[in-house]
Amino acid sequence: EAQVTQNPRYLITVTGKKLTVTCSQNMNHEYMSWYRQDPGLGLRQIYYSMNVEVTDKGDVPEGYKVSRKEKRNFPLILESPSPNQTSLYFCASSDRGPSDGYTFGSGTRLTVV
Amino acid sequence: EDQVTQSPEALRLQEGESSSLNCSYTVSGLRGLFWYRQDPGKGPEFLFTLYSAGEEKEKERLKATLTKKESFLHITAPKPEDSATYLCAGGGNTDKLIFGTGTRLQVFP
Repeated sequence: EAQVTQNPRYLITVTGKKLTVTCSQNMNHEYMSWYRQDPGLGLRQIYYSMNVEVTDKGDVPEGYKVSRKEKRNFPLILESPSPNQTSLYFCASSDRGPSDGYTFGSGTRLTVV
Repeated sequence: EDQVTQSPEALRLQEGESSSLNCSYTVSGLRGLFWYRQDPGKGPEFLFTLYSAGEEKEKERLKATLTKKESFLHITAPKPEDSATYLCAGGGNTDKLIFGTGTRLQVFP
């Protein structure tokens, strides 16, 4: 089954404790992206990657890092999480770019206390 | 600046009561207008892509239409299982998707 898999689904952590949210897709898609979703603000892009070793900032990249060492994986790293990063996070992939339409993961609900 | 605005924020319908959701967009060089459905606690699920004004697409009780400034998602004789948040997004020259904040639809039996 074609899918985007995120882990974990839920995470509660403390301020400053580094964490990684993993994302993997099995569709051989070139383009992958991370979004955060907050009430009243909609989906906002954090980082995206057009291919292996090619990443770029989205609209809200502060406090986040990403890497794309393999085509299928695109982890999101929070090196020093803060409470304002409490949010619902989605990984998404598409064949060549967002204009092809996304397949989204099931989401990771992160709480930073 | 590219922008996508959805209305209403929330919509309550009786089962069988048809209605429309609106998506107004200002997206430079629009390449595609997308509709997604999102159930609580889940990722958005792709519904439609519209590429040019006048285009229409249908899937079961849903029909999406596109003009030069707006897109509509028409829901005919909705059922409770159609309850979800519907997201609209525009993709343009920047090759980024600009999402609206969604319309939360509740259909009561």
